[in-house]
Amino acid sequence: SAVISQKPSRDICQRGTSLTIQCQVDSQVTMMFWYRQQPGQSLTLIATANQGSEATYESGFVIDKFPISRPNLTFSTLTVSNMSPEDSSIYLCSVEGVGSADTQYFGPGTRLTVL
Amino acid sequence: GENVEQHPSTLSVQEGDSAVIKCTYSDSASNYFPWYKQELGKRPQLIIDIRSNVGEKKDQRIAVTLNKTAKHFSLHITETQPEDSAVYFCAVGSGGGADGLTFGKGTHLIIQP
Repeated sequence: SAVISQKPSRDICQRGTSLTIQCQVDSQVTMMFWYRQQPGQSLTLIATANQGSEATYESGFVIDKFPISRPNLTFSTLTVSNMSPEDSSIYLCSVEGVGSADTQYFGPGTRLTVL
Repeated sequence: GENVEQHPSTLSVQEGDSAVIKCTYSDSASNYFPWYKQELGKRPQLIIDIRSNVGEKKDQRIAVTLNKTAKHFSLHITETQPEDSAVYFCAVGSGGGADGLTFGKGTHLIIQP
């Protein structure tokens, strides 16, 4: 499997501000995804980060709130904009295309607390 | 969209006994079914997966079975050990590598010594 890192690992932010989370993989991958895991809950897909084009968002998530970039095959960013306490969650990136086509591996996550 | 139901939400078993967690899904086009284990404060770790052209897959003490007709799949853990205690998530994908996963709500597995 690939080595996946995320920065920052955690942060505490004030409401109304924005935070950009980085996801770096040590090898080229075909697909990258962003998920949210609220405290004690399951994982929910936010969007697919497409290399060289706009991300594909799931129902309930919009680009203005969660802009995503993927400039190359090893890196992606997720920005959480105009944050509110309801955005407090763990944000995880995942990658696909290491080994078999469908298998997804997760980064360590970014724990975000919004005050 | 896809809907994934997972049961039970909590499962307590004696060490050495077997544990079974079940998931059902709604979209008959789904064809990729992974299971993840998540320990407290850690990332989800893939433990086993199965694709729709296979009915059963086994890896040491862990097995997954799939019934595509009934749209359900199950995780079986035999000879449970204390280190099996964690939250287990089933997930469903469309296969082909183009889409993300839809997750079940998770099962908190507790292994009693």
